[in-house]
Amino acid sequence: GAVVSQHPSRVICKSGTSVKIECRSLDFQATTMFWYRQFPKKSLMLMATSNEGSKATYEQGVEKDKFLINHASLTLSTLTVTSAHPEDSSFYICSARGYRHTEAFFGQGTRLTVV
Amino acid sequence: AQKITQTQPGMFVQEKEAVTLDCTYDTSDPSYGLFWYKQPSSGEMIFLIYQGSYDQQNATEGRYSLNFQKARKSANLVISASQLGDSAMYFCAMREGTNTGNQFYFGTGTSLTVIP
Repeated sequence: GAVVSQHPSRVICKSGTSVKIECRSLDFQATTMFWYRQFPKKSLMLMATSNEGSKATYEQGVEKDKFLINHASLTLSTLTVTSAHPEDSSFYICSARGYRHTEAFFGQGTRLTVV
Repeated sequence: AQKITQTQPGMFVQEKEAVTLDCTYDTSDPSYGLFWYKQPSSGEMIFLIYQGSYDQQNATEGRYSLNFQKARKSANLVISASQLGDSAMYFCAMREGTNTGNQFYFGTGTSLTVIP
């Protein structure tokens, strides 16, 4: 299958700072990338869908000014958590899909801890 | 209504036995895809198997098979000859239509524990 790399895998940051998470498709062009948040022992909650070169589509209840998503190229999307607070601590995971793929491929996930 | 329903929060299976993980779905779109993903404790999501709504045969991938019953809107995952490494969370997912931008709907997952 295709490879999606997500970085960093773990990050600890101070409250009030911003954190950027990168999601790269290594061997295919990702026409669409999805960003999810997952609470412990829960399902994946879709935060936003981003298509290359266009603005991300956010799900209801997700603050677009707090969770900035950029999909500047066909191989890279970034999620920036701005002015992070302890309640933003969570597992964030991206997935990507190319035009010829049926399935979506996931990154390794990022465990964010805000202290 | 929930798009994907997984009614088994936790399942146990003896090593080398087969286990079935249930999944039902809800859609009015005639074109859709059904997926199963495995999430070990490390967190990554591993794609296991895919079934298209127009596929006549049940999908199989090694020890994984998908029992697709379209009229009942169910897509159960069967794992044969369970191994200790199969212990993980398993998520059923659905995508409606064929557009690459269409989102995937995930179920709440089933935690599978393989007992030696």
